[in-house]
Amino acid sequence: AQTVTQSQPEMSVQEAETVTLSCTYDTSESDYYLFWYKQPPSRQMILVIRQEAYKQQNATENRFSVNFQKAAKSFSLKISDSQLGDAAMYFCAYTGTASKLTFGTGTRLQVTL
Amino acid sequence: NAGVTQTPKFQVLKTGQSMTLQCAQDMNHEYMSWYRQDPGMGLRLIHYSVGAGITDQGEVPNGYNVSRSTTEDFPLRLLSAAPSQTSVYFCASTRDIVWGGTEAFFGQGTRLTVV
Repeated sequence: AQTVTQSQPEMSVQEAETVTLSCTYDTSESDYYLFWYKQPPSRQMILVIRQEAYKQQNATENRFSVNFQKAAKSFSLKISDSQLGDAAMYFCAYTGTASKLTFGTGTRLQVTL
Repeated sequence: NAGVTQTPKFQVLKTGQSMTLQCAQDMNHEYMSWYRQDPGMGLRLIHYSVGAGITDQGEVPNGYNVSRSTTEDFPLRLLSAAPSQTSVYFCASTRDIVWGGTEAFFGQGTRLTVV
């Protein structure tokens, strides 16, 4: 079975600074997808960024980028120029077939002035 | 295009009562799934479906039933509510990877309290 581990229950970053959220996973599958989802206080699950395992290039979406290390099974999220609106719970997730996701336990990000 | 519609948003049940959480999607997605979110545990898969008439158990299926009679609808039934089922529930839908889908679209969630 696949597992996803987020070892940072809480993180804090100052506005305009950069923060990195960690995620490791375990799988025996060769083809899979990794995601970071954001959950603000509204409870809505919002896709932040997606990485296909077969792509060596790290995904980037505006201020959000990932460091995907396939051999180490590591998938960290870097948020640059942090904004107050980035404060939320962030979940790392894995899927092999798209029919179901395996989530980490989440990292609560605080953004301070 | 409504996406994934999940109702109700909030519900309080007494122990032993039954109820159905509704989930509908209008994107013609093959895959639908139900998760529960508990503090410190992330989202855990309850049941999922890969198409109409096909369902399977996830990580925490006990106490829940599902059916998928149409592509659009995937209701979750609590047969006899227990306090351990107090949680936030999410429905999600995804297109098959064969058709380029990987992103899961989520409903707004249901906060269920069992007293």
